[in-house]
Amino acid sequence: DQQVKQNSPSLSVQEGRISILNCDYTNSMFDYFLWYKKYPAEGPTFLISISSIKDKNEDGRFTVFLNKSAKHLSLHIVPSQPGDSAVYFCAASASTGTYKYIFGTGTRLKVLA
Amino acid sequence: ETGVTQSPTHLIKTRGQQVTLRCSSQSGHNTVSWYQQALGQGPQFIFQYYREEENGRGNFPPRFSGLQFPNYSSELNVNALELDDSALYLCASSLQAYEQYFGPGTRLTVT
Repeated sequence: DQQVKQNSPSLSVQEGRISILNCDYTNSMFDYFLWYKKYPAEGPTFLISISSIKDKNEDGRFTVFLNKSAKHLSLHIVPSQPGDSAVYFCAASASTGTYKYIFGTGTRLKVLA
Repeated sequence: ETGVTQSPTHLIKTRGQQVTLRCSSQSGHNTVSWYQQALGQGPQFIFQYYREEENGRGNFPPRFSGLQFPNYSSELNVNALELDDSALYLCASSLQAYEQYFGPGTRLTVT
């Protein structure tokens, strides 16, 4: 039973355009969400977070949107750059003492120059 | 500010052996979480330590155990290694746990 799903294994976007990465979750107890970027042979790098009290959080070129009723979140990268090419993971947790993050399987983003 | 470090980088062990992986948390962080990442999958939560006490565990058998030390560094121990234990093991440190910062990982191969 996969509680966090990233249904697109891969995505290609032209440099300068918007990249939109999607994530769905099933557990209504989840109220804290993280996005990570991962390059080969490195650990995941934290990008941006959002809690369920917000529906949007922005940090530079990265914006995360949360739709609680649809149990859906998305990461927007604008403008996309070749250095953004990596695997992106979303992760979700319930804030019940232990932040036990459940990760999706990742989306491989390729930004074409 | 020093980030999260892990050692060793790579490790090859034989089925049935035991292994210890190490993690130094980021300065000021009091919580360490361990994850297992199999090829093509997202990281899976093993357990979390907060101020030297286990603070939550995922669906891993008891042969996966851990420790956290007074300086908040941590160890992951795996006994009776199985072939399926081959994976990238990641530790993440955090303050109050909600934003977790990962180390580079230890690649374990069990033959």
